Amino acid sequence: AQTVTQSQPEMSVQEAETVTLSCTYDTSESNYYLFWYKQPPSRQMILVIRQEAYKQQNATENRFSVNFQKAAKSFSLKISDSQLGDTAMYFCAFMKHGNNQGGKLIFGQGTELSVKP
Amino acid sequence: EAGVTQSPTHLIKTRGQQVTLRCSPISGHTSVYWYQQALGLGLQFLLWYDEGEERNRGNFPPRFSGRQFPNYSSELNVNALELEDSALYLCASRAVLNQPQHFGDGTRLSIL
Repeated sequence: AQTVTQSQPEMSVQEAETVTLSCTYDTSESNYYLFWYKQPPSRQMILVIRQEAYKQQNATENRFSVNFQKAAKSFSLKISDSQLGDTAMYFCAFMKHGNNQGGKLIFGQGTELSVKP
Repeated sequence: EAGVTQSPTHLIKTRGQQVTLRCSPISGHTSVYWYQQALGLGLQFLLWYDEGEERNRGNFPPRFSGRQFPNYSSELNVNALELEDSALYLCASRAVLNQPQHFGDGTRLSIL
């Protein structure tokens, strides 16, 4: 069975600075997807970034980038130029490739990020 | 494009009652997922519906059930409510396998 671990329950960062959220996972699969979702107090889960395991290049979306280390089963999220609106709970999630599990997401426990002015 | 919509936003029930939660996926999305976000337990996969059929379910008792309609909207039914069913229930949809899921705002269920 797959597991996802986020070892940082809470983090804080000053506005405009950079912060990195950690995520590790365990799987025997070779083909899978990894995601970071954010959940602000409004509670809607918003997709931040997506990484395909077969791609060596790290995904980037504007101020958000990942450091994907497949051998180490590590998938960290870096937020550059942090903004007050980045304050949210961040979840790392794993999804197997293919039909077998139908795209079921397995989530980590979450990291609550506070951006301070 | 309208996102995933869920109703109601908040429900208060008592133990033993039954509840129905509703979800409308993004237009063109045929798969609907339900997740439970309970305090201290994180986000857990509940059910997956695709093309009107239940395709997979998580480790939840049979009193959690649902269905998907021909227009791909979905209902989640919970019978014989227990205190530990208090949670945020999130619905998500996707168009094509291996594409990201898009979530609704959730239904907050409180059991007294």
